[in-house]
Amino acid sequence: DTAVSQTPKYLVTQMGNDKSIKCEQNLGHDTMYWYKQDSKKFLKIMFSYNNKELIINETVPNRFSPKSPDKAHLNLHINSLELGDSAVYFCASSQYRAGDTQYFGPGTRLTVL
Amino acid sequence: LAKTTQPISMDSYEGQEVNITCSHNNIATNDYITWYQQFPSQGPRFIIQGYKTKVTNEVASLFIPADRKSSTLSLPRVSLSDTAVYYCLVGDVRASKIIFGSGTRLSIRP
Repeated sequence: DTAVSQTPKYLVTQMGNDKSIKCEQNLGHDTMYWYKQDSKKFLKIMFSYNNKELIINETVPNRFSPKSPDKAHLNLHINSLELGDSAVYFCASSQYRAGDTQYFGPGTRLTVL
Repeated sequence: LAKTTQPISMDSYEGQEVNITCSHNNIATNDYITWYQQFPSQGPRFIIQGYKTKVTNEVASLFIPADRKSSTLSLPRVSLSDTAVYYCLVGDVRASKIIFGSGTRLSIRP
């Protein structure tokens, strides 16, 4: 069983489109995260939810909107995609809080043309 | 905010011990130090976590001096499969901030 799964694995789209990436964890964790990894491999946290409540919201464009329907899911919706949004997006989860061990998903490679 | 600094890359040979140091001069009282390993096209994977002194598990050791302004990940007897990027993470246990280092690209040669 996959602990943290993301769909899709690859996403190629045109500028201006709206797209979503889904994340699910079956570990029973309370906290979930979205990270962006750019071409230089810098890993930056974007959002974190704890029991469906937003607890970390870094400075990201408001075109990015996380949605947590329940504590096992944290989806990322992106409006009006731009070239600079091209990156690998990782979902992660941890049992309680940010300092706990995080379990990462396989990543979604987003390419905006 | 505890920013972290790591060497960009390191090279070593199979069977050697590798030490990767991370600097975090502004680490806060509630921050833990965690190291992750990332292979190409995969998500980061937890290696080890500590708060102070020394922590050891089946794959690595983590040394943290008394002032906690740096930490050293020690990989004993590395193999080719240890070739990866290693990230140092300083995490506020109050869940308000998470800072990943820029990562150290470790290359192991035969």
